Amino acid sequence: NAGVTQTPKFQVLKTGQSMTLQCAQDMNHEYMSWYRQDPGMGLRLIHYSVGAGITDQGEVPNGYNVSRSTTEDFPLRLLSAAPSQTSVYFCASSYSNRDQPQHFGDGTRLSIL
Amino acid sequence: RKEVEQDPGPFNVPEGATVAFNCTYSNSASQSFFWYRQDCRKEPKLLMSVYSSGNEDGRFTAQLNRASQYISLLIRDSKLSDSATYLCVVPNTGGFKTIFGAGTRLFVKA
Repeated sequence: NAGVTQTPKFQVLKTGQSMTLQCAQDMNHEYMSWYRQDPGMGLRLIHYSVGAGITDQGEVPNGYNVSRSTTEDFPLRLLSAAPSQTSVYFCASSYSNRDQPQHFGDGTRLSIL
Repeated sequence: RKEVEQDPGPFNVPEGATVAFNCTYSNSASQSFFWYRQDCRKEPKLLMSVYSSGNEDGRFTAQLNRASQYISLLIRDSKLSDSATYLCVVPNTGGFKTIFGAGTRLFVKA
């Protein structure tokens, strides 16, 4: 079972560049979310989706876009990378966000120079 | 009050010790709770789910106190391998958002 797959695992960008972090799950989960984790800090919710075609903002959405055209995929787009977006990004999914635990991908480590 | 708050830590304990962490939550309507373990900025991994008053799995016990709105995690007979950050999770807090606590760092020493 692949579970939650994130690509790439590592990426270095220059300020102002754009890129898309990919997230895919093969568990038919409805709920998917993106978090960022900065050194010494907890996970902060960027965007989430409760099903295909439905997305909403989390705690720190500025500078990021998401879309959910299929149940399986939930890409995160950085519009114009800034050094403040240097972080580790985790994608997670669950059957629902109410009673079920989330399953995490192994993260994308992103550095913005 | 934050939606989810955890003991600040870090906790430094010797092998074999018993240690407990607390997590308080603000949404009294929350029905399920989770403890995750995270190693050195790797992905969080589910440790325990709590749907009623509590749950026990080997050396780990989670207890829920709805009246005071907190959940606790008790680790007995601590092992070196228990050294990690423990995250408290309350799904559906404030709507559809799942909020993670900031985590409690545990160091188990030989």
